[in-house]
Amino acid sequence: DGGITQSPKYLFRKEGQNVTLSCEQNLNHDAMYWYRQDPGQGLRLIYYSQIVNDFQKGDIAEGYSVSREKKESFPLTVTSAQKNPTAFYLCASSIRGGLDTEAFFGQGTRLTVV
Amino acid sequence: DAKTTQPPSMDCAEGRAANLPCNHSTISGNEYVYWYRQIHSQGPQYIIHGLKNNETNEMASLIITEDRKSSTLILPHATLRDTAVYYCIVRLSLNRDDKIIFGKGTRLHILP
Repeated sequence: DGGITQSPKYLFRKEGQNVTLSCEQNLNHDAMYWYRQDPGQGLRLIYYSQIVNDFQKGDIAEGYSVSREKKESFPLTVTSAQKNPTAFYLCASSIRGGLDTEAFFGQGTRLTVV
Repeated sequence: DAKTTQPPSMDCAEGRAANLPCNHSTISGNEYVYWYRQIHSQGPQYIIHGLKNNETNEMASLIITEDRKSSTLILPHATLRDTAVYYCIVRLSLNRDDKIIFGKGTRLHILP
């Protein structure tokens, strides 16, 4: 089935370590997005990419990095510079350039830094 | 910043219609209104979207005012499984800088 997959569902890391969250989609979508969600809060945009080899910072990009070497993949690295990395991370994808199209979301990765 | 304003929470009795309002007074002519919902600890799920006309699908109805400055999502017969946070978003996917910005949403409690 077509969809967007995030892995792993739960991730634990020690403070000071970089960690990479995976996001893969087989929907042939051009655009992909990463969001962070803290308890009881809405989704905040970290990075987004409209096409391969191009990406832009969202509202809270500091301490994060991304790459978009392939259309189907948009990994997010949480670096040691991110001061409060424990959160729920969501990836989404969407058709780009259409008049109206919904975004599809993965089931999220819950990152806990100890 | 999100371009929409929603009440933080609402209650609705099971079996009744749930009407969730959204203000988007700065919406531009080509921007669509989208609704998503997020059940606890899951990824958001698309519900419905519209431009000017009212829309209906198997999940919900979307009523957009004539001036397009506000809209209402209607869940016609709410069930306990509809308990979730509902997000209203305005978006123009033709925009090269299409960022999909979420607000804080409305937490809908369905009461048995």
